[in-house]
Amino acid sequence: GQQVMQIPQYQHVQEGEDFTTYCNSSTTLSNIQWYKQRPGGHPVFLIQLVKSGEVKKQKRLTFQFGEAKKNSSLHITATQTTDVGTYFCATLGGGSQGNLIFGKGTKLSVKP
Amino acid sequence: DAGVIQSTRHEVTEMGQEVTLRCKPISGHDYLFWYRQTMMRGLELLIYFNNNVPIDDSGMPEDRFSAKMPNASFSTLKIQPSEPRDSAVYFCASSSGTSPQYFGPGTRLLVL
Repeated sequence: GQQVMQIPQYQHVQEGEDFTTYCNSSTTLSNIQWYKQRPGGHPVFLIQLVKSGEVKKQKRLTFQFGEAKKNSSLHITATQTTDVGTYFCATLGGGSQGNLIFGKGTKLSVKP
Repeated sequence: DAGVIQSTRHEVTEMGQEVTLRCKPISGHDYLFWYRQTMMRGLELLIYFNNNVPIDDSGMPEDRFSAKMPNASFSTLKIQPSEPRDSAVYFCASSSGTSPQYFGPGTRLLVL
Protein backbone atom coordinates (compact mmCIF):
# COMPACT_ATOMS: atom_id res chain seq x y z
CA GLY A 1 0.00 0.00 0.00
CA GLN A 2 0.90 3.62 -0.17
CA GLN A 3 3.35 5.01 2.31
CA VAL A 4 4.72 8.46 2.93
CA MET A 5 8.08 8.98 4.59
CA GLN A 6 8.63 12.18 6.47
CA ILE A 7 11.95 13.75 7.41
CA PRO A 8 13.35 14.90 9.68
CA GLN A 9 11.73 13.27 12.67
CA TYR A 10 12.74 16.16 14.93
CA GLN A 11 13.91 19.69 14.31
CA HIS A 12 15.11 22.20 16.85
CA VAL A 13 15.48 25.77 15.69
CA GLN A 14 16.16 29.17 17.14
CA GLU A 15 13.27 31.56 16.87
CA GLY A 16 13.59 33.44 13.63
CA GLU A 17 15.25 30.60 11.75
CA ASP A 18 13.56 28.85 8.88
CA PHE A 19 12.22 25.30 9.03
CA THR A 20 11.43 22.72 6.37
CA THR A 21 9.89 19.28 6.57
CA TYR A 22 9.79 16.86 3.67
CA CYS A 23 7.36 14.17 2.69
CA ASN A 24 8.37 11.52 0.17
CA SER A 25 6.73 8.58 -1.55
CA SER A 26 7.93 5.93 -3.97
CA THR A 27 4.60 6.11 -5.81
CA THR A 28 2.67 8.93 -7.41
CA LEU A 29 0.31 10.56 -4.98
CA SER A 30 -3.17 11.78 -5.82
CA ASN A 31 -2.89 14.52 -3.25
CA ILE A 32 -1.06 15.67 -0.15
CA GLN A 33 -2.60 17.08 2.98
CA TRP A 34 -0.70 18.75 5.79
CA TYR A 35 -1.76 18.79 9.41
CA LYS A 36 -0.38 20.46 12.52
CA GLN A 37 -0.69 19.09 16.01
CA ARG A 38 0.17 21.38 18.90
CA PRO A 39 1.53 19.77 22.08
CA GLY A 40 -1.39 18.22 23.92
CA GLY A 41 -3.73 18.96 21.03
CA HIS A 42 -5.19 17.20 18.06
CA PRO A 43 -4.17 17.24 14.38
CA VAL A 44 -5.59 20.23 12.57
CA PHE A 45 -5.84 20.42 8.81
CA LEU A 46 -3.64 23.07 7.21
CA ILE A 47 -3.84 22.61 3.46
CA GLN A 48 -4.33 20.23 0.56
CA LEU A 49 -2.27 20.08 -2.64
CA VAL A 50 -3.47 18.17 -5.69
CA LYS A 51 -1.70 19.55 -8.76
CA SER A 52 1.77 18.73 -9.99
CA GLY A 53 4.18 21.49 -9.00
CA GLU A 54 1.55 23.26 -6.93
CA VAL A 55 2.71 25.90 -4.45
CA LYS A 56 0.48 27.42 -1.81
CA LYS A 57 1.23 29.94 0.89
CA GLN A 58 -0.34 30.69 4.22
CA LYS A 59 1.41 33.67 5.75
CA ARG A 60 4.87 32.36 6.70
CA LEU A 61 4.08 28.79 5.57
CA THR A 62 4.85 27.62 2.03
CA PHE A 63 3.64 24.26 0.78
CA GLN A 64 4.92 22.59 -2.35
CA PHE A 65 3.90 19.51 -4.30
CA GLY A 66 6.60 18.03 -6.50
CA GLU A 67 6.40 17.92 -10.26
CA ALA A 68 6.26 14.14 -10.21
CA LYS A 69 3.73 14.20 -7.34
CA LYS A 70 5.98 11.97 -5.27
CA ASN A 71 7.14 14.50 -2.73
CA SER A 72 6.01 17.55 -0.86
CA SER A 73 7.48 20.06 1.51
CA LEU A 74 6.35 22.51 4.14
CA HIS A 75 8.59 25.51 4.74
CA ILE A 76 8.17 27.97 7.57
CA THR A 77 9.94 31.29 7.26
CA ALA A 78 11.21 32.99 10.41
CA THR A 79 9.78 30.55 12.93
CA GLN A 80 7.94 31.75 15.99
CA THR A 81 7.24 29.97 19.24
CA THR A 82 3.65 29.55 18.09
CA ASP A 83 4.92 27.24 15.34
CA VAL A 84 5.85 24.59 17.89
CA GLY A 85 4.19 21.25 17.26
CA THR A 86 4.25 18.19 15.06
CA TYR A 87 3.62 18.55 11.34
CA PHE A 88 2.15 15.59 9.51
CA CYS A 89 1.77 14.97 5.83
CA ALA A 90 -0.93 12.59 4.66
CA THR A 91 -2.26 11.21 1.43
CA LEU A 92 -5.45 9.46 0.41
CA GLY A 93 -5.30 5.70 0.77
CA GLY A 94 -6.32 5.00 -2.78
CA GLY A 95 -9.38 4.38 -4.89
CA SER A 96 -12.42 6.27 -3.79
CA GLN A 97 -11.83 5.65 -0.13
CA GLY A 98 -11.60 8.56 2.23
CA ASN A 99 -8.94 7.16 4.53
CA LEU A 100 -5.60 8.93 4.86
CA ILE A 101 -2.11 7.50 5.11
CA PHE A 102 -0.19 9.65 7.56
CA GLY A 103 3.53 10.19 7.74
CA LYS A 104 5.25 9.83 11.11
CA GLY A 105 5.43 13.58 11.50
CA THR A 106 8.17 16.12 12.15
CA LYS A 107 8.28 17.50 15.65
CA LEU A 108 9.36 21.14 15.67
CA SER A 109 10.66 22.88 18.74
CA VAL A 110 11.50 26.58 18.71
CA LYS A 111 13.88 28.13 21.19
CA PRO A 112 13.00 31.73 22.04
CA ASP B 1 -20.39 23.99 14.00
CA ALA B 2 -19.39 22.16 17.17
CA GLY B 3 -16.78 20.04 15.42
CA VAL B 4 -16.10 16.42 16.26
CA ILE B 5 -17.11 15.76 19.83
CA GLN B 6 -15.29 13.46 22.19
CA SER B 7 -16.81 14.50 25.45
CA THR B 8 -14.49 12.48 27.66
CA ARG B 9 -11.03 14.04 27.63
CA HIS B 10 -9.46 11.77 30.23
CA GLU B 11 -10.33 8.21 31.16
CA VAL B 12 -8.63 6.23 33.89
CA THR B 13 -9.45 2.60 34.41
CA GLU B 14 -7.95 -0.50 35.89
CA MET B 15 -6.54 -3.39 33.95
CA GLY B 16 -9.24 -5.87 33.05
CA GLN B 17 -12.03 -3.34 33.03
CA GLU B 18 -14.12 -2.50 30.02
CA VAL B 19 -13.74 0.99 28.62
CA THR B 20 -15.93 2.64 26.01
CA LEU B 21 -14.90 5.74 24.11
CA ARG B 22 -17.52 7.83 22.37
CA CYS B 23 -17.56 10.11 19.39
CA LYS B 24 -20.02 12.39 17.65
CA PRO B 25 -18.87 13.29 14.13
CA ILE B 26 -19.59 16.51 12.33
CA SER B 27 -23.12 16.51 11.00
CA GLY B 28 -23.23 15.55 7.33
CA HIS B 29 -19.88 13.83 7.28
CA ASP B 30 -20.03 10.32 5.86
CA TYR B 31 -16.63 9.06 7.04
CA LEU B 32 -15.63 8.40 10.63
CA PHE B 33 -12.17 7.34 11.75
CA TRP B 34 -10.71 6.07 15.00
CA TYR B 35 -7.01 6.66 15.63
CA ARG B 36 -4.66 5.82 18.46
CA GLN B 37 -1.58 7.90 19.21
CA THR B 38 1.38 6.97 21.37
CA MET B 39 4.92 8.24 21.60
CA MET B 40 6.29 4.93 20.42
CA ARG B 41 3.94 4.15 17.55
CA GLY B 42 2.77 7.58 16.48
CA LEU B 43 -0.66 8.05 14.92
CA GLU B 44 -2.29 4.75 13.97
CA LEU B 45 -5.57 4.27 12.14
CA LEU B 46 -7.60 1.65 13.95
CA ILE B 47 -10.81 1.50 11.93
CA TYR B 48 -12.94 3.66 9.72
CA PHE B 49 -16.57 3.75 8.68
CA ASN B 50 -18.30 5.02 5.57
CA ASN B 51 -22.02 5.69 5.91
CA ASN B 52 -21.99 3.84 9.23
CA VAL B 53 -20.48 0.70 7.70
CA PRO B 54 -17.03 -0.47 8.82
CA ILE B 55 -14.73 -0.38 5.80
CA ASP B 56 -11.33 -1.30 7.15
CA ASP B 57 -10.61 -2.60 10.62
CA SER B 58 -7.17 -3.98 9.86
CA GLY B 59 -5.65 -1.52 12.29
CA MET B 60 -7.56 -2.85 15.28
CA PRO B 61 -4.87 -4.39 17.47
CA GLU B 62 -6.73 -7.47 18.58
CA ASP B 63 -10.08 -8.92 19.46
CA ARG B 64 -10.23 -6.92 22.64
CA PHE B 65 -11.01 -3.89 20.50
CA SER B 66 -14.36 -3.37 18.83
CA ALA B 67 -16.07 -0.38 17.25
CA LYS B 68 -19.63 0.38 16.28
CA MET B 69 -21.45 3.11 14.49
CA PRO B 70 -25.17 2.58 15.10
CA ASN B 71 -26.13 5.80 13.33
CA ALA B 72 -24.62 8.73 11.48
CA SER B 73 -24.14 10.79 14.60
CA PHE B 74 -22.53 8.39 17.03
CA SER B 75 -19.72 5.88 17.26
CA THR B 76 -18.08 3.92 20.04
CA LEU B 77 -14.74 2.23 20.47
CA LYS B 78 -14.72 -0.44 23.14
CA ILE B 79 -11.80 -2.16 24.77
CA GLN B 80 -12.60 -5.25 26.78
CA PRO B 81 -10.68 -6.20 28.79
CA SER B 82 -8.33 -3.25 28.91
CA GLU B 83 -4.59 -3.63 29.44
CA PRO B 84 -1.91 -1.11 30.45
CA ARG B 85 -0.45 -1.17 26.95
CA ASP B 86 -3.73 0.26 25.66
CA SER B 87 -2.87 3.55 27.36
CA ALA B 88 -2.81 6.16 24.61
CA VAL B 89 -4.70 9.10 23.20
CA TYR B 90 -7.63 7.97 21.09
CA PHE B 91 -8.81 10.36 18.41
CA CYS B 92 -11.99 10.29 16.44
CA ALA B 93 -12.09 12.14 13.13
CA SER B 94 -14.69 12.66 10.45
CA SER B 95 -14.74 13.83 6.87
CA SER B 96 -17.02 14.29 3.91
CA GLY B 97 -15.91 12.12 1.03
CA THR B 98 -12.22 12.63 0.33
CA SER B 99 -12.12 16.04 1.96
CA PRO B 100 -9.77 16.79 4.87
CA GLN B 101 -10.38 15.07 8.16
CA TYR B 102 -11.49 16.95 11.24
CA PHE B 103 -10.24 15.52 14.48
CA GLY B 104 -11.88 15.57 17.86
CA PRO B 105 -9.93 16.69 20.92
CA GLY B 106 -9.08 13.09 21.79
CA THR B 107 -9.56 10.92 24.86
CA ARG B 108 -6.46 10.27 26.90
CA LEU B 109 -6.80 6.75 28.26
CA LEU B 110 -4.75 5.48 31.16
CA VAL B 111 -5.05 1.84 32.11
CA LEU B 112 -3.53 1.09 35.50
